Amino acid sequence: GAGVSQTPSNKVTEKGKYVELRCDPISGHTALYWYRQSLGQGPEFLIYFQGTGAADDSGLPNDRFFAVRPEGSVSTLKIQRTERGDSAVYLCASSSKPPGSGGSSYNEQFFGPGTRLTVL
Amino acid sequence: KNEVEQSPQNLTAQEGEFITINCSYSVGISALHWLQQHPGGGIVSLFMLSSGKKKHGRLIATINIQEKHSSLHITASHPRDSAVYICAVRVGGAQKLVFGQGTRLTINP
Repeated sequence: GAGVSQTPSNKVTEKGKYVELRCDPISGHTALYWYRQSLGQGPEFLIYFQGTGAADDSGLPNDRFFAVRPEGSVSTLKIQRTERGDSAVYLCASSSKPPGSGGSSYNEQFFGPGTRLTVL
Repeated sequence: KNEVEQSPQNLTAQEGEFITINCSYSVGISALHWLQQHPGGGIVSLFMLSSGKKKHGRLIATINIQEKHSSLHITASHPRDSAVYICAVRVGGAQKLVFGQGTRLTINP
C-alpha cells in the first residue's frame, strides 16, 4: 500500500512569504506527526495530531507556525512570514494504534520523504 | 546536554566488519526507536523496542532500561548499509519522539 507522502518535495521561497506543506498519512493511521530536520542534525518534534485535534504542539517554535488536520487524514503545516532560519527538511510521520489498545499507545511511526524548504 | 546522545557521530569500516552504534538517554521512556536515513532519502524505522533484544536479518537492537542505554549492531556489514542511523525515544506517556543527532556510517568495499 501507499506510504506517507509529502508535497511539495522541494520548496524555495523568499523571506517574508507564506508557505504551506502538505502531508498525506497512511490510510487509517490516526496519529500524525510533524518534525523538522536541520542540516546535520536529528529531527526535532513540532506537533502531533490524534485524529483532528492537535494533542501536543509544544514543539512549534513560535506563532508563525501552525498546522491543521481538519478531517483527520491530510495535514497542512503553515508557516507565515518565513525567515532564513526556517530552512530545513520538514518531515511528516503517521502511526496507528495497536489492536485492542485502550490507552494512548501507538505503533511505530512511518515517515514521509520530507519537504525541503529553502528560504532565501 | 541532549536528552539522547549517540556515539560515535561518524563511523567508517570495511565490508564484513561487525558494527556497533550506541545510544544513551537521560529520561524515562516508554519506547526506543532505531531509524535509518539514506542521503537524500526518507527515514525508515528499523526497530521499536521497550525491553530486551530484537533481531531482523543482520541487524540486532538491544536495550538496557536500568542503564538507559541501547545498542544497534550490524553483522557482516555491507556498503549498502551506509546511511545515518538515528536513535529516538518516546518520553514517558508522550507520543512525540526525541531524536539523537545520528551516526553517519560508511562501509567501504
